Amino acid sequence: EVQLLESGRSLVQPGGSLRLSCAASGFSFSSYAMSWVRQAPGKGLEWVSGISGSGGSTYYADSVKGRFTISRDNSKNTLYLQMKSLRAEDTGVYYCAKVGGWAPEGYFDYWGQGTLVTVSS
Amino acid sequence: QSVLTQPPSVSAAPGQKVTISCSGSSSKIGNNFVSWYQHLPGTAPKLLIYDNNKRPSGIPDRFSGSKSGTSATLGITGLQTGDEADYYCGTWDSSLSAGVFGGGTKLTVL
Repeated sequence: EVQLLESGRSLVQPGGSLRLSCAASGFSFSSYAMSWVRQAPGKGLEWVSGISGSGGSTYYADSVKGRFTISRDNSKNTLYLQMKSLRAEDTGVYYCAKVGGWAPEGYFDYWGQGTLVTVSS
Repeated sequence: QSVLTQPPSVSAAPGQKVTISCSGSSSKIGNNFVSWYQHLPGTAPKLLIYDNNKRPSGIPDRFSGSKSGTSATLGITGLQTGDEADYYCGTWDSSLSAGVFGGGTKLTVL
């Protein structure tokens, strides 16, 4: 059974940093691309970032480019999202999602339950 | 403003059929596969359709997908109250090298 477990909810001040983790199990982690998707309060889904199975290719939404870094440790079956210079508009539920293929361009066939990130003073 | 355009809401009676549209551009829907997701508040989104018209195992054939040019459509027949949720289309933007979603459509089963 595929399972994706994101790190616990967090409260961080504007301008601060935070690293999210997503522990994966139930599939060959290194064979699949992974992504982060978020949902701000009252808003729709927003794709944030994607990474190839090897970790050699990474992609970002314009809204987070230069502030967020996606990475993965295939030896630990874990996906990360390092977030810096956080803004109030980064507040939302962050989902870890498995892509149905090696490259990040595919569909998301499994999702984690999400972790709430609140950026507020 | 979302990159892909969906109607904010649709509604229909139980047992009826509804369609949800998703429109984009050639760099998005035009040249890439479309997927559809069902999302209930507080839960993980669920994949309904991938590669324009394929259903994952466990998804009933009441759900269908199609694509034509730069638009895609999700169809749901035999509506049930349990189908009430937000529905999102998604694809890849080849010009931006980024994933994109529609703004979401809230389905109400009257």
